[in-house]
Amino acid sequence: GDSVTQTEGLVTLTEGLPVMLNCTYQSTYSPFLFWYVQHLNEAPKLLLKSFTDNKRPEHQGFHATLHKSSSSFHLQKSSAQLSDSALYYCALRITGNTGKLIFGLGTTLQVQP
Amino acid sequence: EAAVTQSPRNKVAVTGGKVTLSCNQTNNHNNMYWYRQDTGHGLRLIHYSYGAGSTEKGDIPDGYKASRPSQENFSLILELATPSQTSVYFCASGSGTASQNTLYFGAGTRLSVL
Repeated sequence: GDSVTQTEGLVTLTEGLPVMLNCTYQSTYSPFLFWYVQHLNEAPKLLLKSFTDNKRPEHQGFHATLHKSSSSFHLQKSSAQLSDSALYYCALRITGNTGKLIFGLGTTLQVQP
Repeated sequence: EAAVTQSPRNKVAVTGGKVTLSCNQTNNHNNMYWYRQDTGHGLRLIHYSYGAGSTEKGDIPDGYKASRPSQENFSLILELATPSQTSVYFCASGSGTASQNTLYFGAGTRLSVL
């Protein structure tokens, strides 16, 4: 069945260092992947999503590349900022037209000075 | 941007009591969803709806009912609340028509069942 795996529960790094949050998936049909970000005491909101034409989505310095060969959609940023500290969810659109998303367990990113 | 409003924002309920969480969206989205968020479990889908009058079971529907009386409103009902239902609940809406469905979340309701 369809599933999403985020292996890291907590990632702690120093400001200015590169960020990579892992996301792998299993999908019955052609996958559409999303990254949502949730800052403390706020609602989750869309950070970026995969394109159908293999373009690399980017937003607020973050980018992710859909690799169907390895079933991955890792989130990356070249230089972490303190304001990037948040909970990040990877999500997979379930096949069919329900619009349902399966979310991973989430990765908390803590950026320290 | 899409607007999804949840009420109440915080709720304390007693075990065995009835709880209703409300959600309103003003973007004319067909699809609406109820998720709960728990540490170690991420976001889990409870119920969802394709439009007014429809409700569907999500991944963890036991102990919950849903109601979609109109395009704008989607309620989550706990008929007999239990302490295990203490959680943060998020409502979301989405068009559901495009292949890439963006969900817009409300601010959440923090429910404590004592």
